[in-house]
Amino acid sequence: DGGITQSPKYLFRKEGQNVTLSCEQNLNHDAMYWYRQDPGQGLRLIYYSQIVNDFQKGDIAEGYSVSREKKESFPLTVTSAQKNPTAFYLCASSIRGNGYTFGSGTRLTVV
Amino acid sequence: GEDVEQSLFLSVREGDSSVINCTYTDSSSTYLYWYKQEPGAGLQLLTYIFSNMDMKQDQRLTVLLNKKDKHLSLRIADTQTGDSAIYFCAESLNSGYALNFGKGTSLLVTP
Repeated sequence: DGGITQSPKYLFRKEGQNVTLSCEQNLNHDAMYWYRQDPGQGLRLIYYSQIVNDFQKGDIAEGYSVSREKKESFPLTVTSAQKNPTAFYLCASSIRGNGYTFGSGTRLTVV
Repeated sequence: GEDVEQSLFLSVREGDSSVINCTYTDSSSTYLYWYKQEPGAGLQLLTYIFSNMDMKQDQRLTVLLNKKDKHLSLRIADTQTGDSAIYFCAESLNSGYALNFGKGTSLLVTP
């Protein structure tokens, strides 16, 4: 079955560490997105990519980095520069003119 | 960008109808979407409506679109406890890829 897979489901990070969240899709979608979700704040766009080897900053890109070396994969690195990384992270993909397909999310906690 | 507006909370009794409202921003949006998010999960696409339609019905779901007022609503008939979730409306943007999401409406269904 086609879909979008995020891993891990839960992730714990020590202060000062970088961590990478995985997002893989086999839907042949061109575009991929990373959102952060905090209680009561809805979805905030971190980064998005419409084509391989190209990506753009969203509204809250500071402290995050991404790569898009393959169409299927769009990993997100939460760097030590992100001062408040505890949140629920959602990855999505889409083709032009269609809605998004979301992954099941990764909950990141700083310990 | 401008905000898609939704009320934050709605509480209904089991068996009643629920109506979730949304005001969107872009009068040229081609598609408007409703997503459902259950606790700890990603967003799943519930339904969508094309901008040249006024209404779309899909089993217990009815979507109404008022383009003049840029108002979208989702009616859930015979609401069940399993409908308790956060509901997001979203508008498509000019790029054809990106969606602009509201902050979500938390629906609580009580027995």
